[in-house]
Amino acid sequence: GDSVTQMEGPVTLSEEAFLTINCTYTATGYPSLFWYVQYPGEGLQLLLKATKADDKGSNKGFEATYRKETTSFHLEKGSVQVSDSAVYFCALNEGGSNYKLTFGKGTLLTVNP
Amino acid sequence: DVKVTQSSRYLVKRTGEKVFLECVQDMDHENMFWYRQDPGLGLRLIYFSYDVKMKEKGDIPEGYSVSREKKERFSLILESASTNQTSMYLCASSLVGVHYGYTFGSGTRLTVV
Repeated sequence: GDSVTQMEGPVTLSEEAFLTINCTYTATGYPSLFWYVQYPGEGLQLLLKATKADDKGSNKGFEATYRKETTSFHLEKGSVQVSDSAVYFCALNEGGSNYKLTFGKGTLLTVNP
Repeated sequence: DVKVTQSSRYLVKRTGEKVFLECVQDMDHENMFWYRQDPGLGLRLIYFSYDVKMKEKGDIPEGYSVSREKKERFSLILESASTNQTSMYLCASSLVGVHYGYTFGSGTRLTVV
């Protein structure tokens, strides 16, 4: 079945550092891929998405490129801020089972001033 | 913007009580979902619904039931609350289609004492 594997956290960075959170997936078809962010005490918010190979999703300085050849969708940001401290979830939608999303376990990011 | 509203942010209930968690979405989404989120376990799907009066069990349905009498409302019911149901509960909704992600509510932090 479908699965999503994220790098295990926690990830701790200093402000203005470069961020990469790795995400790889297993799917039999052509899924859409998503990154969600969860700030402390809140629900999840859609951060960005990509719906086909080589698409790049971007939002708030974050980017991720849908790489079919490596089945990856790594999240990157060139210069993180303290306000980016949150849990980040990678997810895929392959369309089966009434279009349920398959989520990774989440990666906690802490950015120190 | 789509909004998913969960009726309570924080709830404290006693063991053995019947608990109702309410979720309402305002954009005519077909699919609705209930997850629980616990540290180290990620998001776990309890139930989902793809149409009025239709429901399917997720990964951890034991001890829970759901009701969807109207398209916009999806209720989670804890038949007899227990301390191991203390958790963050997240409701989400989505359109049907592989390109769509979920819109989440802000969550309900339930404590069973």
